[in-house]
Amino acid sequence: DTAVSQTPKYLVTQMGNDKSIKCEQNLGHDTMYWYKQDSKKFLKIMFSYNNKELIINETVPNRFSPKSPDKAHLNLHINSLELGDSAVYFCASSQDFGLPDTQYFGPGTRLTVL
Amino acid sequence: AQTVTQSQPEMSVQEAETVTLSCTYDTSENNYYLFWYKQPPSRQMILVIRQEAYKQQNATENRFSVNFQKAAKSFSLKISDSQLGDTAMYFCAFSGTYKYIFGTGTRLKVLA
Repeated sequence: DTAVSQTPKYLVTQMGNDKSIKCEQNLGHDTMYWYKQDSKKFLKIMFSYNNKELIINETVPNRFSPKSPDKAHLNLHINSLELGDSAVYFCASSQDFGLPDTQYFGPGTRLTVL
Repeated sequence: AQTVTQSQPEMSVQEAETVTLSCTYDTSENNYYLFWYKQPPSRQMILVIRQEAYKQQNATENRFSVNFQKAAKSFSLKISDSQLGDTAMYFCAFSGTYKYIFGTGTRLKVLA
C-alpha cells in the first residue's frame, strides 16, 4: 500500500552509461517532483511536474530528462552518467502546485557511479 | 528569497529525555506551511509534523510538538521521552508559493 514508490532502490553503474529511475504515486496527486540528496544530506529540488507538464527545471544538466506518461508516474532518465551524479534521488508528490502543501516522499534510489 | 536555517548540525540526547531542535526561516509570504521531516538510516523521508502559518496553535503529534513563533520566524521541534528509534536526520522545511525549501538538517542521536 505504498503511497510513493521508486524503483530501483539501489543502482550501481559505470561512468558514461545511461540509466532510468521510475516513480509512481497512488495518492491521486497532481504534482510530482525529483530531488537530489548529496553526500552531505543536502536536499535539492531538480524538477517539478504538474498534470504531466514540466513546471520547474532547477538548472539541472540536460543529461537529466524527466518523463511523465501520466499524473501518477514520473520517471527520471540520466544520460552519460558522471561520478558527480552519485547521490540519493527522491521522488515526491503533492496535491497542489503553487500553493503551500505537503510533499510525500518515495523511499529514495541510491545511485553509485563508478 | 525564502531561506530555512538549521544551526545545529548535530545533537545528542539521553533516552527518555527531552530535546529541542531549532529552525529559523525567512519569508515575506503570509500563507505558508512549515514541516519537520525525519530521515532515519533507512533514508526514507518521513513527515513528522506540519504547521500552517495561519494557525496560532502549535501542532502536536504524540511525543512531537512544535514551538511556532511567527513574528520571530522560528519553528522548533520538541521531542519528548526520546526513544532510540528517534535517532535520525531531522529536516525543517518551508512550503510557500511555488517554493518548497529544506534546511540543511540536524543529526540527532539518542543515547541508551
